[in-house]
Amino acid sequence: DIQMTQSPSSLSASVGDRVTITCRASQSISSYLNWYQQKPGKAPKLLIYAASSLQSGVPSRFSGSGSGTDFTLTISSLQPEDFATYYCQQSYSTPQITFGQGTRLEIK
Amino acid sequence: QLQLQESGPGLVKPSETLSLTCTVSGGSISSSSYYWGWIRQPPGKGLEWIGSIYYSGSTYYNPSLKSRVTISVDTSKNQFSLKLSSVTAADTAVYYCARPYPLRLHGSYYYYMDVWGKGTTVTVSS
Repeated sequence: DIQMTQSPSSLSASVGDRVTITCRASQSISSYLNWYQQKPGKAPKLLIYAASSLQSGVPSRFSGSGSGTDFTLTISSLQPEDFATYYCQQSYSTPQITFGQGTRLEIK
Repeated sequence: QLQLQESGPGLVKPSETLSLTCTVSGGSISSSSYYWGWIRQPPGKGLEWIGSIYYSGSTYYNPSLKSRVTISVDTSKNQFSLKLSSVTAADTAVYYCARPYPLRLHGSYYYYMDVWGKGTTVTVSS
């Protein structure tokens, strides 16, 4: 199984901050990496697919990068609506996918 | 626009079988190249993939749940279903159905879950 490890597990930041979340795969997954945002009581929402492609309708302040085993999600300037939990997910071994444990982004 | 909706009992007794259905609207569950999946989230915890079914009927399960999981599809009703047997309190979670979309890119298929159901809460308790 491919294990996904996110860091940090939680993060406090202020509106306007630049934030980076990292995700590491236990083996190379090329660019088969997606990022989701989840708010309390809601289903996850796709932000980034194929490591760096922005899903339609997602603000351009979100960006993704990386390939192989190391990936990052960057929010260039935090907005109030961005405080949520973020998950990475590998699709290299689709249909057997795995998620990272999540990063909770809180208001400082 | 494709929509997914989970349904099923919100309360299941320990040792019994959890049964959920995901109804697909706005598209056909028989569309080629599509998987349909189940994901769960225990209270306060992260997302766990349970299993998926291909449009052809092939099934794939999380190894940690494989002995207890069955996913099936009913094309006549445009639904797919989840059965999880011998449940315990550890199976208490929000259960989501989702559709991994197959994007053809650089000669390969990249899958990402672009459509999710709203989720249904299942509590295992006597």
